[in-house]
Amino acid sequence: QKEVEQDPGPLSVPEGAIVSLNCTYSNSAFQYFMWYRQYSRKGPELLMYTYSSGNKEDGRFTAQVDKSSKYISLFIRDSQPSDSATYLCAMTDQAGTALIFGKGTTLSVSS
Amino acid sequence: DTEVTQTPKHLVMGMTNKKSLKCEQHMGHRAMYWYKQKAKKPPELMFVYSYEKLSINESVPSRFSPECPNSSLLNLHLHALQPEDSALYLCASSQGRDGEKLFFGSGTQLSVL
Repeated sequence: QKEVEQDPGPLSVPEGAIVSLNCTYSNSAFQYFMWYRQYSRKGPELLMYTYSSGNKEDGRFTAQVDKSSKYISLFIRDSQPSDSATYLCAMTDQAGTALIFGKGTTLSVSS
Repeated sequence: DTEVTQTPKHLVMGMTNKKSLKCEQHMGHRAMYWYKQKAKKPPELMFVYSYEKLSINESVPSRFSPECPNSSLLNLHLHALQPEDSALYLCASSQGRDGEKLFFGSGTQLSVL
Protein backbone atom coordinates (compact mmCIF):
# COMPACT_ATOMS: atom_id res chain seq x y z
CA GLN A 1 0.00 0.00 0.00
CA LYS A 2 1.38 3.39 -1.01
CA GLU A 3 1.67 6.10 1.62
CA VAL A 4 -0.65 8.53 -0.17
CA GLU A 5 -3.40 7.50 -2.57
CA GLN A 6 -5.05 9.96 -4.94
CA ASP A 7 -7.32 9.17 -7.87
CA PRO A 8 -5.64 10.64 -10.97
CA GLY A 9 -8.95 11.21 -12.78
CA PRO A 10 -9.39 12.92 -15.15
CA LEU A 11 -12.37 14.68 -13.63
CA SER A 12 -14.57 16.76 -15.94
CA VAL A 13 -17.27 19.10 -14.61
CA PRO A 14 -19.36 21.97 -15.99
CA GLU A 15 -18.71 25.53 -14.88
CA GLY A 16 -20.40 26.31 -11.57
CA ALA A 17 -20.23 22.74 -10.25
CA ILE A 18 -18.96 21.80 -6.82
CA VAL A 19 -15.80 19.74 -7.09
CA SER A 20 -14.60 17.27 -4.48
CA LEU A 21 -11.02 16.02 -4.55
CA ASN A 22 -9.60 13.66 -1.97
CA CYS A 23 -6.62 11.68 -0.77
CA THR A 24 -6.16 8.85 1.66
CA TYR A 25 -2.98 8.06 3.53
CA SER A 26 -1.58 5.34 5.73
CA ASN A 27 0.98 7.09 7.97
CA SER A 28 -0.73 8.23 11.17
CA ALA A 29 2.28 10.47 11.94
CA PHE A 30 1.35 12.94 9.21
CA GLN A 31 0.45 16.31 10.76
CA TYR A 32 0.72 18.84 7.94
CA PHE A 33 -1.54 18.63 4.94
CA MET A 34 -1.41 20.69 1.79
CA TRP A 35 -3.11 21.06 -1.54
CA TYR A 36 -1.16 22.31 -4.51
CA ARG A 37 -2.55 23.42 -7.87
CA GLN A 38 -0.36 22.89 -10.90
CA TYR A 39 -1.02 24.25 -14.35
CA SER A 40 0.58 22.52 -17.32
CA ARG A 41 4.37 23.00 -17.46
CA LYS A 42 4.34 25.24 -14.36
CA GLY A 43 5.46 24.70 -10.79
CA PRO A 44 2.94 23.66 -8.12
CA GLU A 45 1.24 26.55 -6.32
CA LEU A 46 0.36 26.18 -2.65
CA LEU A 47 -3.42 26.44 -2.44
CA MET A 48 -4.37 25.30 1.05
CA TYR A 49 -2.45 24.37 4.19
CA THR A 50 -3.90 22.63 7.23
CA TYR A 51 -2.27 21.50 10.43
CA SER A 52 -3.78 18.43 12.09
CA SER A 53 -7.54 17.86 11.78
CA GLY A 54 -10.28 20.27 10.88
CA ASN A 55 -11.56 22.51 8.14
CA LYS A 56 -10.07 25.55 6.49
CA GLU A 57 -11.83 27.85 4.07
CA ASP A 58 -10.35 30.35 1.63
CA GLY A 59 -12.76 31.90 -0.83
CA ARG A 60 -14.21 29.16 -3.02
CA PHE A 61 -11.85 26.53 -1.59
CA THR A 62 -12.38 24.41 1.54
CA ALA A 63 -9.87 21.89 2.84
CA GLN A 64 -10.90 19.18 5.28
CA VAL A 65 -8.72 16.79 7.23
CA ASP A 66 -10.08 13.74 9.05
CA LYS A 67 -7.13 12.15 10.81
CA SER A 68 -9.25 9.39 12.34
CA SER A 69 -10.10 8.17 8.83
CA LYS A 70 -6.75 9.23 7.32
CA TYR A 71 -8.66 11.15 4.66
CA ILE A 72 -8.29 14.67 3.33
CA SER A 73 -10.51 16.57 0.92
CA LEU A 74 -10.50 19.74 -1.14
CA PHE A 75 -13.82 21.25 -2.18
CA ILE A 76 -14.10 23.86 -4.91
CA ARG A 77 -17.37 25.79 -5.06
CA ASP A 78 -18.64 27.54 -8.19
CA SER A 79 -15.87 26.00 -10.28
CA GLN A 80 -14.44 28.09 -13.10
CA PRO A 81 -12.59 27.15 -16.31
CA SER A 82 -9.51 28.74 -14.73
CA ASP A 83 -9.63 26.00 -12.07
CA SER A 84 -8.70 23.48 -14.77
CA ALA A 85 -5.38 22.11 -13.53
CA THR A 86 -3.83 19.19 -11.70
CA TYR A 87 -4.40 19.17 -7.95
CA LEU A 88 -1.78 17.50 -5.79
CA CYS A 89 -2.26 16.61 -2.17
CA ALA A 90 0.88 16.58 -0.05
CA MET A 91 1.63 15.81 3.57
CA THR A 92 4.44 15.37 6.03
CA ASP A 93 5.03 14.47 9.65
CA GLN A 94 6.19 16.85 12.37
CA ALA A 95 9.88 16.19 12.04
CA GLY A 96 10.24 15.39 8.37
CA THR A 97 11.61 17.56 5.66
CA ALA A 98 10.20 15.67 2.70
CA LEU A 99 6.68 16.17 1.47
CA ILE A 100 4.89 13.03 0.34
CA PHE A 101 2.80 13.82 -2.70
CA GLY A 102 -0.24 12.10 -4.12
CA LYS A 103 -0.23 11.36 -7.84
CA GLY A 104 -2.42 14.37 -8.57
CA THR A 105 -5.96 14.65 -9.93
CA THR A 106 -6.47 16.34 -13.30
CA LEU A 107 -9.55 18.57 -13.29
CA SER A 108 -11.22 20.06 -16.35
CA VAL A 109 -13.97 22.67 -15.95
CA SER A 110 -15.90 23.38 -19.11
CA SER A 111 -17.73 26.65 -19.82
CA ASP B 1 6.91 38.35 -1.99
CA THR B 2 6.38 34.60 -2.24
CA GLU B 3 8.37 34.14 -5.41
CA VAL B 4 10.93 31.53 -6.24
CA THR B 5 12.67 32.40 -9.50
CA GLN B 6 14.19 29.75 -11.72
CA THR B 7 16.35 30.20 -14.81
CA PRO B 8 16.37 29.20 -17.55
CA LYS B 9 12.74 28.29 -18.20
CA HIS B 10 13.70 25.90 -20.98
CA LEU B 11 16.97 24.07 -21.66
CA VAL B 12 17.99 21.69 -24.41
CA MET B 13 21.33 19.97 -23.99
CA GLY B 14 23.33 17.16 -25.46
CA MET B 15 24.59 14.25 -23.43
CA THR B 16 28.14 15.64 -23.36
CA ASN B 17 27.19 19.17 -22.33
CA LYS B 18 27.63 20.84 -18.96
CA LYS B 19 24.91 23.23 -17.88
CA SER B 20 23.55 24.73 -14.69
CA LEU B 21 20.08 25.48 -13.40
CA LYS B 22 19.66 28.45 -11.09
CA CYS B 23 17.15 29.25 -8.37
CA GLU B 24 16.71 32.35 -6.23
CA GLN B 25 14.39 33.34 -3.39
CA HIS B 26 14.26 36.45 -1.22
CA MET B 27 11.74 35.31 1.37
CA GLY B 28 14.39 34.63 4.02
CA HIS B 29 13.71 30.91 3.76
CA ARG B 30 16.47 28.71 5.14
CA ALA B 31 15.62 25.47 3.36
CA MET B 32 15.82 24.98 -0.39
CA TYR B 33 14.96 21.97 -2.49
CA TRP B 34 15.41 20.45 -5.91
CA TYR B 35 12.61 18.28 -7.27
CA LYS B 36 12.32 16.39 -10.55
CA GLN B 37 8.93 15.94 -12.18
CA LYS B 38 8.12 13.72 -15.12
CA ALA B 39 4.94 14.27 -17.13
CA LYS B 40 1.76 13.25 -15.28
CA LYS B 41 3.76 12.27 -12.18
CA PRO B 42 4.13 14.00 -8.82
CA PRO B 43 7.38 15.83 -8.00
CA GLU B 44 10.20 13.61 -6.73
CA LEU B 45 12.60 14.99 -4.15
CA MET B 46 16.26 15.12 -5.21
CA PHE B 47 18.11 17.33 -2.72
CA VAL B 48 17.46 19.43 0.36
CA TYR B 49 19.66 22.22 1.67
CA SER B 50 18.99 23.37 5.19
CA TYR B 51 20.84 26.44 6.41
CA GLU B 52 23.10 26.18 3.36
CA LYS B 53 24.16 22.62 4.15
CA LEU B 54 23.14 19.58 2.13
CA SER B 55 20.84 17.64 4.43
CA ILE B 56 19.15 15.19 2.06
CA ASN B 57 20.40 13.53 -1.12
CA GLU B 58 17.80 11.07 -2.35
CA SER B 59 20.32 8.73 -4.03
CA VAL B 60 20.58 11.00 -7.02
CA PRO B 61 23.20 10.07 -9.67
CA SER B 62 26.43 12.03 -9.52
CA ARG B 63 25.75 13.61 -12.91
CA PHE B 64 23.52 15.97 -10.87
CA SER B 65 25.52 18.19 -8.53
CA PRO B 66 23.78 20.70 -6.25
CA GLU B 67 25.35 23.83 -4.87
CA CYS B 68 24.07 26.41 -2.38
CA PRO B 69 26.32 29.51 -2.59
CA ASN B 70 24.25 31.40 -0.01
CA SER B 71 20.89 31.32 1.68
CA SER B 72 19.11 32.88 -1.30
CA LEU B 73 20.64 30.90 -4.15
CA LEU B 74 20.57 27.30 -5.24
CA ASN B 75 22.21 25.79 -8.30
CA LEU B 76 21.99 22.41 -9.95
CA HIS B 77 24.97 21.53 -12.12
CA LEU B 78 24.32 19.04 -14.90
CA HIS B 79 26.93 16.92 -16.67
CA ALA B 80 26.73 13.91 -18.96
CA LEU B 81 22.99 13.57 -18.63
CA GLN B 82 20.93 10.83 -20.25
CA PRO B 83 17.76 11.27 -22.33
CA GLU B 84 15.74 9.79 -19.45
CA ASP B 85 16.79 12.79 -17.35
CA SER B 86 14.50 14.96 -19.46
CA ALA B 87 11.92 16.40 -17.07
CA LEU B 88 10.68 19.53 -15.33
CA TYR B 89 13.17 20.50 -12.62
CA LEU B 90 11.58 22.39 -9.78
CA CYS B 91 13.19 24.47 -7.08
CA ALA B 92 11.33 25.11 -3.85
CA SER B 93 11.95 26.83 -0.56
CA SER B 94 10.50 26.77 2.93
CA GLN B 95 11.01 28.67 6.15
CA GLY B 96 13.06 26.13 7.99
CA ARG B 97 14.16 22.60 8.55
CA ASP B 98 10.65 21.15 8.76
CA GLY B 99 9.51 21.94 5.27
CA GLU B 100 5.77 22.08 5.55
CA LYS B 101 4.87 25.03 3.34
CA LEU B 102 6.92 24.65 0.21
CA PHE B 103 6.90 27.44 -2.34
CA PHE B 104 7.83 26.26 -5.80
CA GLY B 105 9.34 28.06 -8.75
CA SER B 106 7.94 27.66 -12.25
CA GLY B 107 10.60 25.13 -13.10
CA THR B 108 13.11 24.49 -15.86
CA GLN B 109 11.86 22.22 -18.64
CA LEU B 110 14.94 20.19 -19.56
CA SER B 111 15.33 18.14 -22.71
CA VAL B 112 18.38 15.92 -23.12
CA LEU B 113 19.11 14.89 -26.70
